[in-house]
Amino acid sequence: SQELEQSPQSLIVQEGKNLTINCTSSKTLYGLYWYKQKYGEGLIFLMMLQKGGEEKSHEKITAKLDEKKQQSSLHITASQPSHAGIYLCGAVVNSGGSNYKLTFGKGTLLTVNP
Amino acid sequence: NAGVTQTPKFRVLKTGQSMTLLCAQDMNHEYMYWYRQDPGMGLRLIHYSVGEGTTAKGEVPDGYNVSRLKKQNFLLGLESAAPSQTSVYFCASSYPPTPRGNQPQHFGDGTRLSIL
Repeated sequence: SQELEQSPQSLIVQEGKNLTINCTSSKTLYGLYWYKQKYGEGLIFLMMLQKGGEEKSHEKITAKLDEKKQQSSLHITASQPSHAGIYLCGAVVNSGGSNYKLTFGKGTLLTVNP
Repeated sequence: NAGVTQTPKFRVLKTGQSMTLLCAQDMNHEYMYWYRQDPGMGLRLIHYSVGEGTTAKGEVPDGYNVSRLKKQNFLLGLESAAPSQTSVYFCASSYPPTPRGNQPQHFGDGTRLSIL
């Protein structure tokens, strides 16, 4: 089963609109990373969240980790065509005992229409 | 800054051929990973390495072999390529993930591999 669930799977918005992408885990997240991927390219690191309630912003993108550290949201304000791409969340979860692993969601495909 | 470099960027193989994908990182990371990315499947871990001379299986290891002879290099081999291995392959490196870890994985630009 997928340990990290992203929603929605895909999203089409009009330029200028706000949008939110969610990343949910059934396990406590010990580190949550957001990446962006453009078609045909590698993954670009956006930001990292570690503490419950933590919120970070970069330009018009804001990410937050909820207090229980089991869900993160990525919010884009006034979207632009340059925001288009695949957004992936990655998280450090406990894989048993004192072992931890990084796992990824399947990604959210964002299309921004001009 | 080179970061993580993958070679080649593109390759077309015939079924049954073999090849090696090379990943090199210059960040002195202990951990290195090989993923494949397929539509609707997300990133799936093939093999990973927690240090020089060590390798371990990920989610989808069958049909692949890896080697980590040097800390900065992680090689992914296909001994007998199959059409099901057509995919985009990503290499990544990082410091070890821990509950206090604060370093993300750094990714290469990918290798697009087609098996005919």
